[in-house]
Amino acid sequence: EIVLTQSPGTLSLSPGERATLSCRASQSVSSSYLAWYQQKPGQAPRLLIYGASSRATGIPDRFSGSGSGTDFTLTISRLEPEDFAVYYCQQYGSSPDKYTFGQGTKLEIK
Amino acid sequence: QVQLVESGGGLVKPGGSLRLSCAASGFTFSDYYMSWIRQAPGKGLEWVSYISSSGSTIYYADSVKGRFTISRDNAKNSLYLQMNSLRAEDTAVYYCARSYCTGGVCYGYFDYWGQGTLVTVSS
Repeated sequence: EIVLTQSPGTLSLSPGERATLSCRASQSVSSSYLAWYQQKPGQAPRLLIYGASSRATGIPDRFSGSGSGTDFTLTISRLEPEDFAVYYCQQYGSSPDKYTFGQGTKLEIK
Repeated sequence: QVQLVESGGGLVKPGGSLRLSCAASGFTFSDYYMSWIRQAPGKGLEWVSYISSSGSTIYYADSVKGRFTISRDNAKNSLYLQMNSLRAEDTAVYYCARSYCTGGVCYGYFDYWGQGTLVTVSS
């Protein structure tokens, strides 16, 4: 099973700043099959990024994903107030019974 | 627009059973792979089970294998999760989620999620 470790656990930033979130896999994620989700309190997760770097439909271009192999990054170029949430990475480069999520990074207002 | 609406959650005693449903609308349900994903209170996301578009291929997480059964009724645009022998650690919000599919190929990430239904296992 591929274990995804996200860092930091909590990131405190101000609106307008740049956020960099990390997701590290215990082994290589095949074909960069890595996704990022945003979850706000009381809501379901929302797909942001798939294939490590492709933005989902309707996602603003301030969100970008990068990386390959075992190291992936989600970058939010200029934080808007609505971006403060918990972010999860997920790998899907294996059979479904091996799909895993990271433990999440909480992005909070400083 | 795509909608996924879960129902069937509630309070159940350890060892009990519950059946969750997910009603889909706004897309051709029979074309899409579907999954159940859960989230324990204050915790992260855990994939639970997956079913292919026809229902012929099914996977389960080790934590629920032998206790949970996923199924679907494409005529009713519905997904189900039968949960037996429930344990306290099964307490969570259960989401149904759609796999992204295009051109007949489906991928393992989830482009639409329901709002979730809470299952509480407690005596």
